[in-house]
Amino acid sequence: QITLKESGPTLVKPTQTLTLTCSFSGFSLTTSGVGVGWIRQPPGKALEWLGIIHWSDTKRYSPSLKSRLTITKDTSKNQVVLTMTNMDLVDTATFYCIHRSVAGKSAYMDVWGKGTTVTVSS
Amino acid sequence: SYELTQPPSVSVSPGQTASITCSGDKLGDKYACWYQQKPGQSPVLIIYQDTKRPSGIPERFSGSNSGNTATLTISGAQALDEADYYCQAWDSGVFGTGTKVTVL
Repeated sequence: QITLKESGPTLVKPTQTLTLTCSFSGFSLTTSGVGVGWIRQPPGKALEWLGIIHWSDTKRYSPSLKSRLTITKDTSKNQVVLTMTNMDLVDTATFYCIHRSVAGKSAYMDVWGKGTTVTVSS
Repeated sequence: SYELTQPPSVSVSPGQTASITCSGDKLGDKYACWYQQKPGQSPVLIIYQDTKRPSGIPERFSGSNSGNTATLTISGAQALDEADYYCQAWDSGVFGTGTKVTVL
């Protein structure tokens, strides 16, 4: 059974850097095709894809946030870390960690963590 | 940047069919996924690769994708289908604007 759990601060100040950790079990991030990604959702708003790291260490980021995001993995700890710099009030959101599976030429996010809420406030 | 547009809301009577559209430039050339999100819960994958249902997803959920539009159809809607629904074009990572489905 695949599970993912997000952890990190619930409150950050404007201009600070946010660091979130996704701890997972039930799969290995060394398996071909597997990826772990991050999604966020501001209160009452739509989902926003942030980025993903693949088993090969290839990374993809949202073009609009690319300059602020870094995703890294520690396969020995089964963890993926998201770093977002220069946090602003509008970055207040629930952040989700996801597991990516592949099927032929397509991929999809088949397992989601429960999410962690981050509030940006001074 | 790539954009996906959904109607903000769709209403359906119990037992009837609801269709939710997702529009994007040449979306039919990409693979579409659909996610269901109920209040206070994480999204759940209900359709992938345009038409496929993960294990455990009821048969009343179906998908199609052609041209510039992907469509999620709920056949025989039930009260427990009330939720927000989001499409996604996988290769872009982009999510749609979301549709709130009301069953009444």
